[in-house]
Amino acid sequence: QKEVEQNSGPLSVPEGAIASLNCTYSDRVSQSFFWYRQYSGKSPELIMSIYSNGDKEDGRFTAQLNKASQYVSLLIRDSQPSDSATYLCASNQAGTALIFGKGTTLSVSS
Amino acid sequence: KAGVTQTPRYLIKTRGQQVTLSCSPISGHRSVSWYQQTPGQGLQFLFEYFSETQRNKGNFPGRFSGRQFSNSRSEMNVSTLELGDSALYLCASSLGQSNEKLFFGSGTQLSVL
Repeated sequence: QKEVEQNSGPLSVPEGAIASLNCTYSDRVSQSFFWYRQYSGKSPELIMSIYSNGDKEDGRFTAQLNKASQYVSLLIRDSQPSDSATYLCASNQAGTALIFGKGTTLSVSS
Repeated sequence: KAGVTQTPRYLIKTRGQQVTLSCSPISGHRSVSWYQQTPGQGLQFLFEYFSETQRNKGNFPGRFSGRQFSNSRSEMNVSTLELGDSALYLCASSLGQSNEKLFFGSGTQLSVL
């Protein structure tokens, strides 16, 4: 059974701080990794994708992938109250379904 | 470009009934995936259709079924509804190539009484 594990949180950080969200996956042959953000009452929206070991930066967001440790993380710099949401980690290998973790709830206080 | 469209937005049914949900993908997208989301279990994969063929299937009972039409629109059907089927059902589309990003619709909130 392929699994993606995340701490459910809530993770609380003050405005302007760095939020660090973590995810582990069980399928060693997973190739693609995604972070989705889901606001309360809304559908998930893609914010980052990463396919190779290392870091990938996009604005205030940095995704980090370590395939040897089967670990993916998302860093949010200069966190804003508008970043308060549930963050979903997902992974798959070519041609297979995208499997999601249960999500980490982030709360950014002003 | 229009996003993924799901109808209806809300549904209320009683146990034993059946329900059909509809999804229109982003224009040009050939793959449609369906997920069930509940507070306790998170997003769980139901099935994926590509070019009218089921390409992947999750671990749900046979009461859950789907299909895809030649215009890539998809429907999912749940027969003999149970209370535990109450959930948000999300449809997502993609071009259908490997390791692609999914784009989600707003979902159908199903309540089974």
